[in-house]
Amino acid sequence: GENVEQHPSTLSVQEGDSAVIKCTYSDSASNYFPWYKQELGKRPQLIIDIRSNVGEKKDQRIAVTLNKTAKHFSLHITETQPEDSAVYFCATRGGGADGLTFGKGTHLIIQP
Amino acid sequence: SAVISQKPSRDICQRGTSLTIQCQVDSQVTMMFWYRQQPGQSLTLIATANQGSEATYESGFVIDKFPISRPNLTFSTLTVSNMSPEDSSIYLCSVDRTSGRAPYEQYFGPGTRLTVT
Repeated sequence: GENVEQHPSTLSVQEGDSAVIKCTYSDSASNYFPWYKQELGKRPQLIIDIRSNVGEKKDQRIAVTLNKTAKHFSLHITETQPEDSAVYFCATRGGGADGLTFGKGTHLIIQP
Repeated sequence: SAVISQKPSRDICQRGTSLTIQCQVDSQVTMMFWYRQQPGQSLTLIATANQGSEATYESGFVIDKFPISRPNLTFSTLTVSNMSPEDSSIYLCSVDRTSGRAPYEQYFGPGTRLTVT
């Protein structure tokens, strides 16, 4: 089955700096790559996603890039703010499976 | 996106008992999913529930332990049977966005926090 590796497990950045979280996957048939943000005690919230026919997608301060050849995708957050502090999960979908396979998560800490 | 609710929001149960978790959606959806999130961990897919057919379970999860019902297009239940402390987790249902094109975005319910003593 699919295996999703996510790095780093913890990321601390100064407010205003950029944060980058990377994921690699094993199933070349995966065709959908969402990112979720989960605040403490809350449900995971979809923040951005990308499909396999696109290399990059941007939504305000958040962007996702996909390299299908290398089987990796990344989340980029620019001008980080205190409210960006949360756990971020990457996930994949496709290859005949309808559910999501998640990475282990990254705890993003924004230092004031 | 669909509005998803779950009941109960939390429960504390004794080992050996069973708990049924309900998931209700405010619109008809084809696919419903059940995930488990153990304390401080990531999410793991338990099973996919389609209306009118048996649920499809992921490796490591079996129907006897996690029976699922899907009686219609807006409702599903997950039962955690013969519970042990290792079953203490957050259980989340999710659904696909009902518009747009596949592969679809997936949205999560608020979760059920289960503690087994």
